[in-house]
This record gives sequence, C-alpha cells and structure tokens, in this order.
Amino acid sequence: GDSVTQMEGPVTLSEEAFLTINCTYTATGYPSLFWYVQYPGEGLQLLLKATKADDKGSNKGFEATYRKETTSFHLEKGSVQVSDSAVYFCALRKGGSEKLVFGKGTKLTVNP
Amino acid sequence: DAGVTQSPTHLIKTRGQQVTLRCSPKSGHDTVSWYQQALGQGPQFIFQYYEEEERQRGNFPDRFSGHQFPNYSSELNVNALLLGDSALYLCASSTGLAETQYFGPGTRLLVL
Repeated sequence: GDSVTQMEGPVTLSEEAFLTINCTYTATGYPSLFWYVQYPGEGLQLLLKATKADDKGSNKGFEATYRKETTSFHLEKGSVQVSDSAVYFCALRKGGSEKLVFGKGTKLTVNP
Repeated sequence: DAGVTQSPTHLIKTRGQQVTLRCSPKSGHDTVSWYQQALGQGPQFIFQYYEEEERQRGNFPDRFSGHQFPNYSSELNVNALLLGDSALYLCASSTGLAETQYFGPGTRLLVL
C-alpha cells in the first residue's frame, strides 16, 4: 500500500543552521505531496505542497522539491530559528482518494 | 474567519464506554475528515464525510462511526472504548475535492 517514510528524529540544531528532513514515499501513480508542521499542543498546519514532478513548494523559508525519479520530497531550510521547533510530517494524497497518508513525523528542536 | 474548531479539547473515559467528538469546519468548507494520531505517530485516516455521507473509510473497525449535519459540522463516535483508542483525534476540513485539508487543534482522548 501507499506509505511515507521520514528520517528518524529527534533532530537538534543550533539557530541559523541548515535543515534537511528526508522524506521518501511509495505510491502508484502521481500523488500530491505535502509537509505539515505541528507546534506543541496544536493541530497540524500545512507548510507547503507540490502536486506534480519537479514542482517546488515553498513557504516561510522552507522548500521541498517533488522528485519522481527518487520518490522523494525532502524538506530544507537555509537558516532555522528557535520558533521553527516543532514536529514535521510528510504526507501524500493520491488522485481519486480523499485521505492523506502521513509519515511518523520528525521532531525538530532549535537551540539559541 | 474562524478555522476548524473541535470540542471538547480533552476527555477521559473508561474502557467499554462510548464517546462523541465534535467538529465544525472552516467557513465555506463542506467536507470533513477525521484522523487518529497516537502518541509519537503520524495521523491515521479514519473516514471522510461529504454531503452527509461517508465518502471514504480507512482501516478502522465499525466501532468508529460518524455523522455529518446539514450545516457541514460532524461528529465522530467511538463505541466500546479500548485502551488503544487513547489518542489525539484530529478533524480536517476542505472544499469538495480540493487539495488542501485544514486541521483543527484536536481532541485528546484518554481511555483508562
């Protein structure tokens, strides 16, 4: 079945460090891909998305590129801030299906 | 513009009891999805409601049922609660077949 695999956390970085969170997926066809962020005690917020191969989603300094050849959608940010501390979820949605399939999440802690 | 709201925020039940969780979608949205997020895991799709009908269902037993009202709000009912039902229950809303689902803050259910 369809699945999403994220790098194991937790990830701890210093402020202004470069961030990469790896995400790969298994799915037939051409799913849409998403990154959601969950701040402590809150629900999920959509961070960015990409709907077709080679699309780049970006928001708040975060970027991810839909790579069909490697079935990947890695999240990157050039300079993280303390306020970026949260849990990040990679997810996919196949055409014709309503459900989002999530990875297990990666907890990021950014220290000042 | 109010986002997705859920009630209650927290709930404690004992095994065998029944529980009802409520969700009001974002203004203008007509589709509601429910997810279960166990501690340390990504959300798992329970089902989705559109036009007061269950449109798609995930791999959850019949103990999990739902309803959508004419004003698009929704309820999730869980019967015969098990310890393993302890989780954060997230509601997400969207419009029709739109790509983006917007999540509420969730209801945290503890089954003792």
